[in-house]
Amino acid sequence: DIQMAQSPSSLSAAVGDRVTITCRASQNIYTYLNWYQHKPGKAPKLLIYGASTLQSGVPSRFSGSGSGTDFTLTISSLQPEDFATYYCQQSYSTLPTFGLGTRLEIK
Amino acid sequence: QVHLVQSGAEVKKPGASVKVSCKASGYTFTGYYLHWVRQAPGQGLEWMGRITPNSGGTNYAQQFQDRLTMTGGTSISTAYMELSSLKSDDTAVYYCAREFCTNGVCHLDYWGQGTLVTVST
Repeated sequence: DIQMAQSPSSLSAAVGDRVTITCRASQNIYTYLNWYQHKPGKAPKLLIYGASTLQSGVPSRFSGSGSGTDFTLTISSLQPEDFATYYCQQSYSTLPTFGLGTRLEIK
Repeated sequence: QVHLVQSGAEVKKPGASVKVSCKASGYTFTGYYLHWVRQAPGQGLEWMGRITPNSGGTNYAQQFQDRLTMTGGTSISTAYMELSSLKSDDTAVYYCAREFCTNGVCHLDYWGQGTLVTVST
């Protein structure tokens, strides 16, 4: 299975901050990388697919980059509703896998 | 509008089985893979498997190979996930999600609301 390592595992930031979350794959996954936002009691929400394509309806403060094994999710200016857990997921393999998540908390 | 509506919460004893349903609407059910993902308390998202509703073909994560069964009722646009030999660490919220592919890049674009399965004596 392809392993996905996310860092940091948790992060404290303030409204207005710029935040970057990284995800590293255990092998080359080209750009088969998706990012999801998950809030307690809610279903996960797709933010970015194909490493850098913003899902329809997702604010432009979210962006993704990377290819191969190293990827980043950036939130340019944190808003109160952005405090959640973020997961990367590879869709290169027949058996998709998620990273362990990054919990974004209010400072 | 795409909707995935899951069945309600379940409480099961260790060793029992649970079957969770996911009813799809707003799109052609047989045209898209349907995945199951779970989240145990305090843990991250864990991919379990997927089904091709059209053919019934499945792929399961290795850790569930011997006790997971996914099926699809195409006439009623409903997918089912059955997990057997339940243990306490199977206590989790189980989600179904639709896979959508754009230019060969696939992702989970619509999710069910989640079903809490509690395994307890």
